[in-house]
Amino acid sequence: NAGVTQTPKFRILKIGQSMTLQCTQDMNHNYMYWYRQDPGMGLKLIYYSVGAGITDKGEVPNGYNVSRSTTEDFPLRLELAAPSQTSVYFCASSRRGGSSYEQYFGPGTRLTVT
Amino acid sequence: QKEVEQDPGPLSVPEGAIVSLNCTYSNSAFQYFMWYRQYSRKGPELLMYTYSSGNKEDGRFTAQVDKSSKYISLFIRDSQPSDSATYLCAMTPLNTGNQFYFGTGTSLTVIP
Repeated sequence: NAGVTQTPKFRILKIGQSMTLQCTQDMNHNYMYWYRQDPGMGLKLIYYSVGAGITDKGEVPNGYNVSRSTTEDFPLRLELAAPSQTSVYFCASSRRGGSSYEQYFGPGTRLTVT
Repeated sequence: QKEVEQDPGPLSVPEGAIVSLNCTYSNSAFQYFMWYRQYSRKGPELLMYTYSSGNKEDGRFTAQVDKSSKYISLFIRDSQPSDSATYLCAMTPLNTGNQFYFGTGTSLTVIP
C-alpha cells in the first residue's frame, strides 16, 4: 500500500513551457486534492475532485487544469508556466465517509519556473 | 478573518519538555480535526485525527478539541529532537462541504 504518490519530485521549467504533475493513490479514495505551498503562506487549494469525472476549483485555480478519468489518478496540468507558479505542489486524498474523513498527502513536487 | 488561526512560532524547547501547539477556528461547522507533522522538504504526515470534542491519545501525543471555545490543541510529552518539524492543524465540516482548512503551521525545534 503506497498511499499517495507523486511524480516528478523536482522540475525546472522555463517561462511559457507546460507540464503535467502526476498523482496516484491506491486507497480507493473518492476525494482528491491539489495544493500549493509557498513559504510562510500555508497550503492553498488549487483544484479538487469528488470522484471520477467530477472536478471543482479551489482557492487558486488560475493557470492550472485538472482531469479525473479514474479513481486512482488526478493529474495537474500547468499551461504557459509563469514564475508565480514556482512552489511546492502536494496531492492529497480522502475517503470522506463513514468514520474516516482524514486526508493523506503525497511527498510533493518541487517546481521552479525561470 | 481566517477560518483557522495558528501561531507560526518558531517554538524552541529543550529535550524532554512538554510541548503545546494550538489552533483556533471560526466556523462552527467544523467537526473533524487533524494534526500533521511536516519535516523540511517533505509532505505533511498525518499524526492524529479526532471527531468532535474530547481528547485522543497516541503514545506521546494527545489531541484535544474544545468545540465550545473553537480551540484545538496538540500536546507532545517527553519531546525528542526528532519531533523538530512544522506542525499543521487542519479541519473539515462533514456534511456542508468537501474542503479542508489548514493553519499556516507552527515551527518546532527540540534542542538536545
